[in-house]
Amino acid sequence: TQLLEQSPQFLSIQEGENLTVYCNSSSVFSSLQWYRQEPGEGPVLLVTVVTGGEVKKLKRLTFQFGDARKDSSLHITAAQPGDTGLYLCAGIFSQGGSEKLVFGKGTKLTVNP
Amino acid sequence: DAGVIQSPRHEVTEMGQEVTLRCKPISGHNSLFWYRQTMMRGLELLIYFNNNVPIDDSGMPEDRFSAKMPNASFSTLKIQPSEPRDSAVYFCASSLDGLADSYEQYFGPGTRLTVT
Repeated sequence: TQLLEQSPQFLSIQEGENLTVYCNSSSVFSSLQWYRQEPGEGPVLLVTVVTGGEVKKLKRLTFQFGDARKDSSLHITAAQPGDTGLYLCAGIFSQGGSEKLVFGKGTKLTVNP
Repeated sequence: DAGVIQSPRHEVTEMGQEVTLRCKPISGHNSLFWYRQTMMRGLELLIYFNNNVPIDDSGMPEDRFSAKMPNASFSTLKIQPSEPRDSAVYFCASSLDGLADSYEQYFGPGTRLTVT
């Protein structure tokens, strides 16, 4: 079973602070994605990382894919209340000749003004 | 484009009743996905279609669940009979090309199902 463990499960911080959330697995993924989900809505894709060691930046968000393609991190600089939401990672892996997709359970982030 | 459309947005039903959830994917997208989200299990992929053909249904929990995609613009997820443990938010998503590395899934707003 391919599992993605996300940590922390919950995170509550003050506006302006920095934070990092993690997505870890014992399995290798061909690619990994990060989504943000707001209450009452579906997840929205933030980024896809494909190459081991890859770093992508999206404004104040920095995403890194581990060298071995088993883990990933999301770092937010100077968090704002608008960053509040559920952050989900999702990995794609090959099994039995087909592509499979698995989501982590997410990190619920609250940024207080 | 209106995005992925799901109906109903909320459904409350009694145990044993049949439930049908509906999804209209984004026009031009070849792949459609059904997910279930709960606090305990997170977001789980139930089934996905490519060009209206089911590709992977290994996530469908049991025979009470069935999904169809009769054409490129419509899909249904049916639960018969429903049970309280089926209570969850069900999401439909679509993408241009399945699970290719460059794919992006666009999620609908979800259907919140409560089975009493």
